[in-house]
Amino acid sequence: SQQGEEDPQALSIQEGENATMNCSYKTSINNLQWYRQNSGRGLVHLILIRSNEREKHSGRLRVTLDTSKKSSSLLITASRAADTASYFCATSRPGAQKLVFGQGTRLTINP
Amino acid sequence: DAGITQSPRHKVTETGTPVTLRCHQTENHRYMYWYRQDPGHGLRLIHYSYGVKDTDKGEVSDGYSVSRSKTEDFLLTLESATSSQTSVYFCAISERGPGAFETDTQYFGPGTRLTVL
Repeated sequence: SQQGEEDPQALSIQEGENATMNCSYKTSINNLQWYRQNSGRGLVHLILIRSNEREKHSGRLRVTLDTSKKSSSLLITASRAADTASYFCATSRPGAQKLVFGQGTRLTINP
Repeated sequence: DAGITQSPRHKVTETGTPVTLRCHQTENHRYMYWYRQDPGHGLRLIHYSYGVKDTDKGEVSDGYSVSRSKTEDFLLTLESATSSQTSVYFCAISERGPGAFETDTQYFGPGTRLTVL
């Protein structure tokens, strides 16, 4: 089964509102990354948080990591129409040779 | 897109024919990956490479082979295409592997949409 599971699967909000997406995983990790995918395009890396970090910011993005609950959240503040995309979390496990991606959250920002 | 190209970008082929997809990078990154993306399954790793001539299987490698004879090129071959291999294929690269604590991010190509009739 997938290591990372995003929630919700789809989210629709008004422009200017904040969007929160969650990711849960099953085993211990080295780090967790968030990627964005616009329709018909490849994935673009947004932010990486390591297992010894609890919170990280990048522009309008805020990521938290709770290793005791094996979960992470991605907050996008003051959303814009250009934020419409699918968002994926990906986990890296110690010694593993691959990232494991969740199935993504489809975010729609309505004008 | 960080110096990664995929060719072709679109291909329609028939069941039973061989197909080769090419990934080319200009970043000199050590690691290269092939993923497929399907509705309901997310992104799944097919094969990856950790150096020239060094490759290994991912979670959905059956029916696929890869080769890496140069740092910059990673080829994915479907020996005999089947309809179940209809998908969007993404190549990705990274400087370091995913298992290290200082994991590198992965940079993705634009994708190849493959249809097997």
